[in-house]
Parts: sequence; structure tokens; C-alpha cells
Amino acid sequence: SQKIEQNSEALNIQEGKTATLTCNYTNYSPAYLQWYRQDPGRGPVFLLLIRENEKEKRKERLKVTFDTTLKQSLFHITASQPADSATYLCALVNQAGTALIFGKGTTLSVSS
Amino acid sequence: DGGITQSPKYLFRKEGQNVTLSCEQNLNHDAMYWYRQDPGQGLRLIYYSQIVNDFQKGDIAEGYSVSREKKESFPLTVTSAQKNPTAFYLCASSKLGRDTYNEQFFGPGTRLTVL
Repeated sequence: SQKIEQNSEALNIQEGKTATLTCNYTNYSPAYLQWYRQDPGRGPVFLLLIRENEKEKRKERLKVTFDTTLKQSLFHITASQPADSATYLCALVNQAGTALIFGKGTTLSVSS
Repeated sequence: DGGITQSPKYLFRKEGQNVTLSCEQNLNHDAMYWYRQDPGQGLRLIYYSQIVNDFQKGDIAEGYSVSREKKESFPLTVTSAQKNPTAFYLCASSKLGRDTYNEQFFGPGTRLTVL
């Protein structure tokens, strides 16, 4: 069955640094992968989608890469701010294309 | 204001009782989903529906039931058969499109506690 792993449960960095979050998947080659942000006690909010034929996607301070050979996506936040502190979830579409499978998330804490 | 709403925000239930969680969207999305989130866990799919009057089981459907009588509404019933119902429940919706899988829009969630 498809498996998705986010390697770090928690990541602590200083303001201004670049945060890099990792998402690995196995047993499957998804057509695309998505990243979401979730604040405590709230529903996730969509950030970015990257397709298998896209190596990299950017949105403001966010950058996502998708390496289908390594079966890995990296999510970068440059010039991080305390307001970026949240849990970040990666999700890939299931093989049937009918639903998303979510990773457990990485909780990012940015200290000033 | 377009969006997806869930009610109530907090729900307390006595063991052995069924309870229904509400989810409504006015985004005109075809697909709707229910997830369960436990501390330290990712979102786990309970049920999803891509069209009115049709729905499919997700990974953890046992002890839950749903209906999709209207495009806008996708209520979830947590039955007494669900062994560990205390959790944070999230409803989501999305468009359905050819060659793409559109982003999911989530509601604010319902926190269910079984006493």
C-alpha cells in the first residue's frame, strides 16, 4: 500500500533562516503531491501542488521540489518568520486518484 | 462568503450514544471528505463522496456512517460501534477535474470527546 513519511516530527529554527521539510513516499508513483499548513485546533490550508513533471514550484517565500527518482519532496520556507510556526503536512493522491493520503506532519517552530 | 462549515466546534457524547457531525459547503464542489486526526497522527480518511447519493469507504470507516443527499451537505454519524471516537474530525471538499487533483478546502473541525 502507499506509504508517506515526513521524517521530522518537529523542526526548530531561528528567524531569518531557511526551513527545509522532507516528505518521502514508497510503493507508488503519484501524479502530484500537495503541501498544507495546519495551525493548532484548525483545519489544514492548501499551500502548493507540484506535478510529477515539475521539478520545482515557488510561491512567495515557499519552494517545493519533487524528485520522482528519490521518491521525495522537499518544502522550503526562506527568510522564516515566527508567523510561519505551524504544522506542515504533505499529501499525495492515492493510486485510484480518488483521495489524498496525508503524512503525519512536521511541526515547525521559528524563534525570534 | 464561500467556504465550508462544520458544527458544532466541540461535542461531548456519552459512551454508547450515536452522534452526527454536520458539514456544509457552498463552494459548489462535487467531492467531499471526512477525516479523523489524533494527536501525533496524520489525517486518516473515513469516507468520501464524489457525487450525490454515492460515497466510498476510506481507510477507517468502521463505526462510522455518512449520507450525501445534497451536494452541499455530507454529515458524518459516529456510532456506538466506533471503539475510540474521541478525536478531531475534519471535513473537506474539492472540485473534481480531469488530469488534475484540486486542492482540498477544509472546515474548522469538530472536536468530539466521549465521556
